[in-house]
Amino acid sequence: GAGVSQTPSNKVTEKGKYVELRCDPISGHTALYWYRQSLGQGPEFLIYFQGTGAADDSGLPNDRFFAVRPEGSVSTLKIQRTERGDSAVYLCASSLTSGGGTDTQYFGPGTRLTVL
Amino acid sequence: GQNIDQPTEMTATEGAIVQINCTYQTSGFNGLFWYQQHAGEAPTFLSYNVLDGLEEKGRFSSFLSRSKGYSYLLLKELQMKDSASYLCAVRDGTGGFKTIFGAGTRLFVKA
Repeated sequence: GAGVSQTPSNKVTEKGKYVELRCDPISGHTALYWYRQSLGQGPEFLIYFQGTGAADDSGLPNDRFFAVRPEGSVSTLKIQRTERGDSAVYLCASSLTSGGGTDTQYFGPGTRLTVL
Repeated sequence: GQNIDQPTEMTATEGAIVQINCTYQTSGFNGLFWYQQHAGEAPTFLSYNVLDGLEEKGRFSSFLSRSKGYSYLLLKELQMKDSASYLCAVRDGTGGFKTIFGAGTRLFVKA
């Protein structure tokens, strides 16, 4: 079956612009996670959704970052007034449940964001 | 605070065995994961430990000691394709399900 998909695969923008990154989780997965990964580092947790609600958004770095998942499936990560430090690979992952048992997270290919 | 430590790089020879260590300090604990990540690709799940002891899955084994905040990933019969980054991750579990990742260990397998 289809895995997690993310669009666009690459995004180049200018400092100060607004961007939206999209994540399509595996069908039937109720949990969805956003991470960002800089070169040579592990994924950094941003936000986690259980269904439509953000169950934990403690990783969002500031109020320029916002994410939604209005119908409990597709999610959009929104970044306002982008800064050069926002440049990273943004990874989305989904899992079948919300933390019980193995709760394996399946990652998408990521969106590489470059802020000039 | 939240902290996960693992070596930055390791080198091993094809056919050999390598052990990648991970120590963690987190607010809560609800499972430890190991992921493999090839350059330019997404992480893929390798193993999960929530109870102390060894979990074996083919050429890969993972060990956990919760009292010591310690885990290791053991890779046997190394192959060139095992050259990748190996990420140790802890699910926090304190009122949420945040997963904290270490910076990863880059493993180079040489012929």
